[in-house]
Amino acid sequence: DVKVTQSSRYLVKRTGEKVFLECVQDMDHENMFWYRQDPGLGLRLIYFSYDVKMKEKGDIPEGYSVSREKKERFSLILESASTNQTSMYLCASSLSTGAGYGYTFGSGTRLTVV
Amino acid sequence: DAKTTQPTSMDCAEGRAANLPCNHSTISGNEYVYWYRQIHSQGPQYIIHGLKNNETNEMASLIITEDRKSSTLILPHATLRDTAVYYCIVRVSYFTGTASKLTFGTGTRLQVTL
Repeated sequence: DVKVTQSSRYLVKRTGEKVFLECVQDMDHENMFWYRQDPGLGLRLIYFSYDVKMKEKGDIPEGYSVSREKKERFSLILESASTNQTSMYLCASSLSTGAGYGYTFGSGTRLTVV
Repeated sequence: DAKTTQPTSMDCAEGRAANLPCNHSTISGNEYVYWYRQIHSQGPQYIIHGLKNNETNEMASLIITEDRKSSTLILPHATLRDTAVYYCIVRVSYFTGTASKLTFGTGTRLQVTL
């Protein structure tokens, strides 16, 4: 089974801190994605990457950056955490071809910024 | 990607078939219908996808109308563990480069009851 592992299940950070959310996949997928999920707003795409060192903005990139130095790892960075970034963060990965099933998601990181 | 319309919520008795509808009247000829579900506090999980023929796997069946403007996901014998939000997504089947992103709507909240 494809595994997408997010480094933390729960995280509490202070306003203004720099926060790193890590995601690792073990199936050599080209594509990786970061979403956030908030009640009533569904899943919204923050950033994605379709190759090492490549990144594309999603629908809500403001306040975030990403890093993909290795194929298996995709990091989401909150440069200066704010309370409105309190959310559930979900990482996903997919193949670029033959990916009939689409995405595999991690279990999520629930981030609270205080 | 074509827009989809799903009911906000549905109930189903345990052991009965759950039939979840999705309207996608603007679907293009090369777009597939994908279904994912998200159980509370977990990442979304792929269920099934299809182009125009009915599809079945160990989790569910997908019935697509002949004109492809709507589809139904069928869970043949719903259990309490099938309580989740179900997302119907219409998109092309390749996930290459900037076309790799997947957009989720608000889905149908299925409640399976005793």
